[in-house]
Formats: sequence, structure tokens, C-alpha cells
Amino acid sequence: KNEVEQSPQNLTAQEGEFITINCSYSVGISALHWLQQHPGGGIVSLFMLSSGKKKHGRLIATINIQEKHSSLHITASHPRDSAVYICAVRPNPGQGGSEKLVFGKGTKLTVNP
Amino acid sequence: DADVTQTPRNRITKTGKRIMLECSQTKGHDRMYWYRQDPGLGLQLIYYSFDVKDINKGEISDGYSVSRQAQAKFSLSLESAIPNQTALYFCATSDRVFTDTQYFGPGTRLTVL
Repeated sequence: KNEVEQSPQNLTAQEGEFITINCSYSVGISALHWLQQHPGGGIVSLFMLSSGKKKHGRLIATINIQEKHSSLHITASHPRDSAVYICAVRPNPGQGGSEKLVFGKGTKLTVNP
Repeated sequence: DADVTQTPRNRITKTGKRIMLECSQTKGHDRMYWYRQDPGLGLQLIYYSFDVKDINKGEISDGYSVSRQAQAKFSLSLESAIPNQTALYFCATSDRVFTDTQYFGPGTRLTVL
């Protein structure tokens, strides 16, 4: 059983569309991360959340701790946003160890011009 | 220059060979990690180190060993490579005292024939 589930697995959009990627998890956590993996393989950290909402440019990340759910939104999507977006959670101590990040399988986003 | 570097970037080897993947960082972080990524799976933690004298197994350490030669260097070894160790390997660093963000290297694509 995967502790972190992402949906959809694949997403194709037209340039300018509003994008939502979802992440659900099954354990108590101290933090949730959103990462971006470029087509060349490199991984960049986008957000770390423990509550509420964060915004950086056209990217917005939200988390609902009670519902164990997070969303990553991209406004006015652009072909350069094409990448794999990965959700990862840090379980609370006693639920897998505080040093372990549990990663989702990723959502592959393709934005067409 | 990149903060986290990995060498080699690509390696093709044969079953039974000993392989070393190297990671160096200039961020001054104490914590370093080795991850493995397989197609369709989330990143999995192989080993992590809090400092030169503190090395810990992750969830998939069998078949791997590590060495923390200095604060800035963390190497991953495959003593006797096997085909199912073909994967993309990432090194990462973090400074959890101030932030939970992980900084990833560019990855090493390893193929074991």
C-alpha cells in the first residue's frame, strides 16, 4: 500500500489552462513537499507545507491536514511547466521515522502550445 | 557552479562489477541522502547520513554501501552490481535545523547489463 497517492498520473493541457494536481496521504505528517522533475531528470524543490497555502509565481500549493490532502495548482500554464510533479510527505515520528520522506509516484504534466 | 554534483552522470557496467557513485556538495549541509528512482515508482531512500560519523540505512539498503569521507562528500557503492540495480540515482542534501528543503544533485543513470 502506497502511503502517498497522486492523481492524475498523467495530465495533458493546453497552454493557458489552469492545472490541478492532487496528493493524498494516509499517515500523520509533519510536512509535505512538492517537487518538480524536469525532462532531463533534475529535481527541484518547489514548496514545503505544514499548513495552509503557499504561492510562488504561478504556482500555488495548499494542504488540508484534517483531510490528509494537498493540491498543487498552476495558473496560466506554459509549455515550460511540462515536467513530473512529485509529492512527498515526512511522517510524524513513530509513523515511519522522522528522517524518511515518502514519495508519491509523480504526475507527468505535458502542456502543449 | 551546481551546489550538489554527482559523478558519473551516466554509467554502463556489467553484472558483478563494483561501482562507486560520488556526490559532492558546497551547501555546507550536514545531512546527505542517496535515493534510487525506478520508472513508475517513487523515490526510495537507500542511505542517509547526518554527519561524517553518523550513517543510517534507508528502506532499500541491501546490495549497497556508503562512505561519508567528509562533510561535503558522500559516496554510494554497489559491491557486485546486478541488473535490477539499473536505475536513476540521486544524491540530496538538507539542513533540517533551519529548513526541511532537500537539494538534489543532477542524478546518475546506471545501467547494469
